[in-house]
Amino acid sequence: GDSVTQMEGPVTLSEEAFLTINCTYTATGYPSLFWYVQYPGEGLQLLLKATKADDKGSNKGFEATYRKETTSFHLEKGSVQVSDSAVYFCALSAGTASKLTFGTGTRLQVTL
Amino acid sequence: GAGVSQSPSNKVTEKGKDVELRCDPISGHTALYWYRQSLGQGLEFLIYFQGNSAPDKSGLPSDRFSAERTGGSVSTLTIQRTQQEDSAVYLCASSPTSRGHGELFFGEGSRLTVL
Repeated sequence: GDSVTQMEGPVTLSEEAFLTINCTYTATGYPSLFWYVQYPGEGLQLLLKATKADDKGSNKGFEATYRKETTSFHLEKGSVQVSDSAVYFCALSAGTASKLTFGTGTRLQVTL
Repeated sequence: GAGVSQSPSNKVTEKGKDVELRCDPISGHTALYWYRQSLGQGLEFLIYFQGNSAPDKSGLPSDRFSAERTGGSVSTLTIQRTQQEDSAVYLCASSPTSRGHGELFFGEGSRLTVL
């Protein structure tokens, strides 16, 4: 079945550091890939997405590139801020019903 | 507000009791999803509604779990004879269509604690 594997957290970084959160997937067909973010006390919200190979999703300074050859969708940001502290979930959608399969989430803590 | 609304936000119950969790999706969203988020685990799919029907209920863990949706809007997730392993945050999400390419809009969840 479909699955998503993402790096375990927590990840602790100083402000302005470079961020990478790894995500790899297994799926039949050609899934769409997503990063969702859950800020403290809030619901999950879509951060970015990519629907086909080599697409790059970007939002709020975050980027991720759909790499079919390595089945990966790593999340990156060049300079993190304290306000980026949250839990980040990688997810895929491989069917027609927009049903998402999520990874276990990676908690990011950014300190001054 | 215009977002997905869930109630109660917190529920503490005793083992063996029944609980009902409610979800109010964004108005006009035809697709509705229930997920479960357990400590240290990712989000686990439970059930998906398109309108009032549930084409995919494959994630319901046991026959103690059921869900319905009425009027193409509000959904209720019912857990009968709750067990301690049911303790989790239950998340509801909605989407404008079932072909929304994965952009789901989530509520803040209902945290269930079974003592």
